[in-house]
Amino acid sequence: KAGVTQTPRYLIKTRGQQVTLSCSPISGHRSVSWYQQTPGQGLQFLFEYFSETQRNKGNFPGRFSGRQFSNSRSEMNVSTLELGDSALYLCASSLAQSGAPYEQYFGPGTRLTVT
Amino acid sequence: EDQVTQSPEALRLQEGESSSLNCSYTVSGLRGLFWYRQDPGKGPEFLFTLYSAGEEKEKERLKATLTKKESFLHITAPKPEDSATYLCAVPTPRRFQGAQKLVFGQGTRLTINP
Repeated sequence: KAGVTQTPRYLIKTRGQQVTLSCSPISGHRSVSWYQQTPGQGLQFLFEYFSETQRNKGNFPGRFSGRQFSNSRSEMNVSTLELGDSALYLCASSLAQSGAPYEQYFGPGTRLTVT
Repeated sequence: EDQVTQSPEALRLQEGESSSLNCSYTVSGLRGLFWYRQDPGKGPEFLFTLYSAGEEKEKERLKATLTKKESFLHITAPKPEDSATYLCAVPTPRRFQGAQKLVFGQGTRLTINP
């Protein structure tokens, strides 16, 4: 079974621009979560989507947004980029079929550099 | 606020030298704990899920254990290929049925010298 894929793998953007990152989950997985990883803050939760609905959100400004499509693929968008947005953005997918804690499987990430 | 703390931050061992990594947490109503391994430039790789105190899971040279306040990742006779950052994470209480948000520790960077 193919794993989680993320595109692009690397991005360089300028302050003030916007960016869209894409994630394709493992086949059959309906939950997609996004995380930001930086050396100083570690892995921080951005949001989770399930069946096209955002059902959980982390403490990030409104410049960070996302969506999920009917085929479970997800995108996240960051508008008005700031230098501090430079990070590894990770997508994780899971079955999330029950109320019990469920494993999340991560993609390779998109490395975003803002100059 | 839910917190996860890992220690040590970095650990350097000789090949074959066993040790343990610690993950302590403060979370209301622990529902489980996850361990991940992350290699440089890659996404975290799932290792274990522990659901309740007293539970243990093993995989090759790794064994994870869970108590009411912390988890340990024991590494027995490690090899250089075990070098990686090891992360633990706990799911926070749900806002509504099914939702899950993971709170991660800062990780332990493990180096195994040949």
